[in-house]
Amino acid sequence: DAKTTQPNSMESNEEEPVHLPCNHSTISGTDYIHWYRQLPSQGPEYVIHGLTSNVNNRMASLAIAEDRKSSTLILHRATLRDAAVYYCILRVYNNAGNMLTFGGGTRLMVKP
Amino acid sequence: DTEVTQTPKHLVMGMTNKKSLKCEQHMGHRAMYWYKQKAKKPPELMFVYSYEKLSINESVPSRFSPECPNSSLLNLHLHALQPEDSALYLCASSVAGVRFTEQFFGPGTRLTVL
Repeated sequence: DAKTTQPNSMESNEEEPVHLPCNHSTISGTDYIHWYRQLPSQGPEYVIHGLTSNVNNRMASLAIAEDRKSSTLILHRATLRDAAVYYCILRVYNNAGNMLTFGGGTRLMVKP
Repeated sequence: DTEVTQTPKHLVMGMTNKKSLKCEQHMGHRAMYWYKQKAKKPPELMFVYSYEKLSINESVPSRFSPECPNSSLLNLHLHALQPEDSALYLCASSVAGVRFTEQFFGPGTRLTVL
């Protein structure tokens, strides 16, 4: 299975943009790139996903490299509430169901 | 209602006890999942139910027994657990049978095995 590599931790100042990188050099042509985050004492929550093109939603933007071997999650203005572990996941789907294989994740700390 | 609820929030059990974890959702999702998360580690998939049938078992020991009695409920029956099974157990649900679907997670049950 294709794997993802993320920095263990990153730090940001409040109200500044944050760029969270993810490497996935063994990605296959049909793998979607997903991001989930896990706030303290909560279950993970969906952030964004993409296949080839850059994507935007109300929470974040996802920039995908042209060769798809890396991607970057962009939080445009970090808030204290964005402090969480961010997981970059390559989604595997087969007839049995959807499987999320979480990598190590990046712990984002936001300073006031 | 986009909520997945899990009960109990905390559970302490001995190695000879039998207990059950419960998960419920009312979003009409027909895929439900159990994940295990050890401290400071990412969640690991244990089981997937699709249309109330077990579709994926990630080689989980038989002391963990999942059950999906209906489309809204998912149980995890626990028996003869070991202290190393202490972890946060997360339930999730999603639309079934489609290539992309967001998974909605519950807050988890924190299990301690003495």
